[in-house]
Amino acid sequence: AIQMTQSPSSLSASVGDRVTITCRASQGIRNDLGWYQQKPGKAPKLLIFAASSLQSGVPSRFSGSGSGTDFTLTISSLQPEDFATYYCLQDYNYPRTFGQGTKVEIK
Amino acid sequence: EVQLVESGGGLVKPGGSLRLSCAASGFTFSPYSMNWVRQAPGKGLEWVSSISSSSNYIYYADSVKGRFTISRDNAKNSLYLQMNSLRAEDTAVYYCARPSNSGSNGAFDIWGQGTMVTVSS
Repeated sequence: AIQMTQSPSSLSASVGDRVTITCRASQGIRNDLGWYQQKPGKAPKLLIFAASSLQSGVPSRFSGSGSGTDFTLTISSLQPEDFATYYCLQDYNYPRTFGQGTKVEIK
Repeated sequence: EVQLVESGGGLVKPGGSLRLSCAASGFTFSPYSMNWVRQAPGKGLEWVSSISSSSNYIYYADSVKGRFTISRDNAKNSLYLQMNSLRAEDTAVYYCARPSNSGSNGAFDIWGQGTMVTVSS
């Protein structure tokens, strides 16, 4: 199974900060990666698909990059509603595997 | 409105069985692969199982293989997860999820609200 190593596991940031979260795959997965946001008690929400494509309705402050084994989710200017946990998910092969999650907290 | 609604969760004893359902509405269900994802209390997301549109291809996480069975009824716009030999570590919120494209099982853009399964004596 492909392992997805996500970092950091948590971070503290202020409104307006630029935030970067990374996911590293244990083998190449082309660009078959999505990023999800999850708030407490809610289902995950798709932010980015195919590593860098913005899902419809998602603010443009979210962006994704990378290909192969290294991927990045960037929030250009953190907003109060962005405090949540973020996950990457590879859809290159089975079993599908998620990163461990990154909790973004208020500094 | 495109929607997935899970049901069937509850409290079950170790070794017991439970069948989860996911009712789809607001879109044509039959062309889409479908998925189950779970989340144990306070933990991260874990993919559980996937099924192709016509049930020809089925995949399971190692943690549930041999105990869980995914199925679907396209006539009823429904997805199912039969869970047998349940263990305490199966305690989780179970989500059904749909990929954004009907032609592949890529990123999951539609999720249900989740149904809680608690395995405890």
